[in-house]
Amino acid sequence: DGGITQSPKYLFRKEGQNVTLSCEQNLNHDAMYWYRQDPGQGLRLIYYSQIVNDFQKGDIAEGYSVSREKKESFPLTVTSAQKNPTAFYLCASSTGQARGYTFGSGTRLTVV
Amino acid sequence: AQSVAQPEDQVNVAEGNPLTVKCTYSVSGNPYLFWYVQYPNRGLQFLLKYITGDNLVKGSYGFEAEFNKSQTSFHLKKPSALVSDSALYFCAVRGGTDSWGKFQFGAGTQVVVTP
Repeated sequence: DGGITQSPKYLFRKEGQNVTLSCEQNLNHDAMYWYRQDPGQGLRLIYYSQIVNDFQKGDIAEGYSVSREKKESFPLTVTSAQKNPTAFYLCASSTGQARGYTFGSGTRLTVV
Repeated sequence: AQSVAQPEDQVNVAEGNPLTVKCTYSVSGNPYLFWYVQYPNRGLQFLLKYITGDNLVKGSYGFEAEFNKSQTSFHLKKPSALVSDSALYFCAVRGGTDSWGKFQFGAGTQVVVTP
């Protein structure tokens, strides 16, 4: 079945470490997105990409980096510059303006 | 700039009673409006959308929503709530002029349905 796979489901990071969250889709969607979810704040856009080898900053890009070397993959790196990285991270993909997003099941990142 | 407001952090309803979750929006051009539902530690699942046409939209699991252009609202409704409807609900909007299709999400409304 087509869908989006995020891994790992749970991730623990020590302070000062970079970690990479994986997002893979087999839906042949052009656009992919990363959102951060915090309680009571809804979803906030980190980065998005419309085509391979191109991506744009969202509303809260500081402390994060991404790459889009393949259409199917859009990994997110949470760097040590992100001061408050503990959150639930959601990856999504879409094709077409009138279509909604398909979401992955999320990765919960905790700083220990 | 586009924005979405969900004025209620939580909605409590007894099973069998009508359920309404409110959403108002601000966007340039014609709005594309969506509702999603999220269960704990899961991604968001699509419920329904309004793009154009009939103002009353029917979606998954018996949910429906009414687009009201004059009030810039897109409230989610279900005639008879179930305990299994307890979840976090998000309203989202993208503007018709936004060719990149980025959504703006509301803060979410927690729905609690009691037996």
